[in-house]
Amino acid sequence: ETGVTQSPTHLIKTRGQQVTLRCSSQSGHNTVSWYQQALGQGPQFIFQYYREEENGRGNFPPRFSGLQFPNYSSELNVNALELDDSALYLCASSPSPGTSGTDTQYFGPGTRLTVL
Amino acid sequence: QQPVQSPQAVILREGEDAVINCSSSKALYSVHWYRQKHGEAPVFLMILLKGGEQKGHDKISASFNEKKQQSSLYLTASQLSYSGTYFCGTSEGRGFQKLVFGTGTRLLVSP
Repeated sequence: ETGVTQSPTHLIKTRGQQVTLRCSSQSGHNTVSWYQQALGQGPQFIFQYYREEENGRGNFPPRFSGLQFPNYSSELNVNALELDDSALYLCASSPSPGTSGTDTQYFGPGTRLTVL
Repeated sequence: QQPVQSPQAVILREGEDAVINCSSSKALYSVHWYRQKHGEAPVFLMILLKGGEQKGHDKISASFNEKKQQSSLYLTASQLSYSGTYFCGTSEGRGFQKLVFGTGTRLLVSP
C-alpha cells in the first residue's frame, strides 16, 4: 500500500453540479498529479501541482481546476459536470515532478465519480 | 499519441510465462509499467529510461528497445496474484506531466 489517500471513495452527482475531490500525498512527496480513468482505458493526465503551483496540464477544459496546499495535499474541482465526466479519478504523488530520472509516481485508490 | 499495448488480453495457468508489449510511434525517454487490480490503484512495477537505467521490483523484468521505441514486460512463473490489468506509460522527456498511458493488457492467471 502507498501512503496516498483519496476521498471520497464514491460520489454521485447530477449534470451541471460541481464536485471537489481530495488527495493526501505520501509523506515526503511535494508533487501531486491528477488523472482521469474512463472504464476500460488507461489513466489520462489532467494536471500536476508542484510546491503549490500548477506545473503542467493535459487536454482538459478550464472547468477542471485544482489546488495544492502547504502540506502538499491537493484538491481537484470540476464545475458544470457532464455525463462524460463519469470516471475514476486518481491522484498520484511523487517526490519530484518527474525531472529526477527514476522518480516514480504512487497512486491513490481513486474516487469513482458517477454523473447522472 | 497513445502507446499501443499487445496483447489486449491473455489467460495463463499458474506457473506459465507471459510477455506484454508496449509500442510508441514517438522517440521515448522513459517507459513506466503499472499493474491495476479491479477497483484498486495502479501499482508501480518498473521504470526504464533511455540509456538503460532501470528501477523496479526484483521479481519483474522488462526491456526497452530505444531503436524500435518498444518496451516489453516479462512475467515468469506466473502466480495468481499477477492477475490484473497492466499499463505502460510513456514519456518523450522528463516530467510526469508528459506521461501517456496505453489502453492496458488484461492478464488472468488461473490455478
